[in-house]
Amino acid sequence: DADVTQTPRNRITKTGKRIMLECSQTKGHDRMYWYRQDPGLGLRLIYYSFDVKDINKGEISDGYSVSRQAQAKFSLSLESAIPNQTALYFCATSDLTGREQYFGPGTRLTVT
Amino acid sequence: AQSVTQLGSHVSVSEGALVLLRCNYSSSVPPYLFWYVQYPNQGLQLLLKYTTGATLVKGINGFEAEFKKSETSFHLTKPSAHMSDAAEYFCAVSGGSGTYKYIFGTGTRLKVLA
Repeated sequence: DADVTQTPRNRITKTGKRIMLECSQTKGHDRMYWYRQDPGLGLRLIYYSFDVKDINKGEISDGYSVSRQAQAKFSLSLESAIPNQTALYFCATSDLTGREQYFGPGTRLTVT
Repeated sequence: AQSVTQLGSHVSVSEGALVLLRCNYSSSVPPYLFWYVQYPNQGLQLLLKYTTGATLVKGINGFEAEFKKSETSFHLTKPSAHMSDAAEYFCAVSGGSGTYKYIFGTGTRLKVLA
């Protein structure tokens, strides 16, 4: 079984809709991350969490929110989706050193 | 501060030819360096990583990379390209105890010509 899972794997939604992407991990890591990938831009950090009570904005957090429901679960929400949020979203985890991250399979989100 | 530069957003090689994908980094602390591969419509797969120790790192699928501190480089190579190597490749750097930052390059798309 995969250590980091993401649901859904693919999602098409309409402008203005609220959508939640979920991430779960069985690695026992405290740290979790959300990235988005856009062609030609690589991966950019949206939010990160060092533990359940410690959530921080990344470089592109506008339009997104997160919830850390438990050590193993970290959700990303788009309160009102817009077309330029169409992207591939990755969840990742790391241990306390943060020096290596482990990635989920990604969620492909399309906003029409 | 850390950064990663991947030279060449697109690289084409003939099947059987050498693959060379370039990655240069900057880091104020000893870096950890990574290469990931992403096949079409798939997630990120770790190819190889450098943490400490031997500077020549071997990964999966016949790839290897060499950490050259003096050149601040971590280029990815494979002696003989195969059609199945066609994918996008990302270099990443992390550094500093307790860091959360994992900086990715913008990616290089490898095309293998028959």
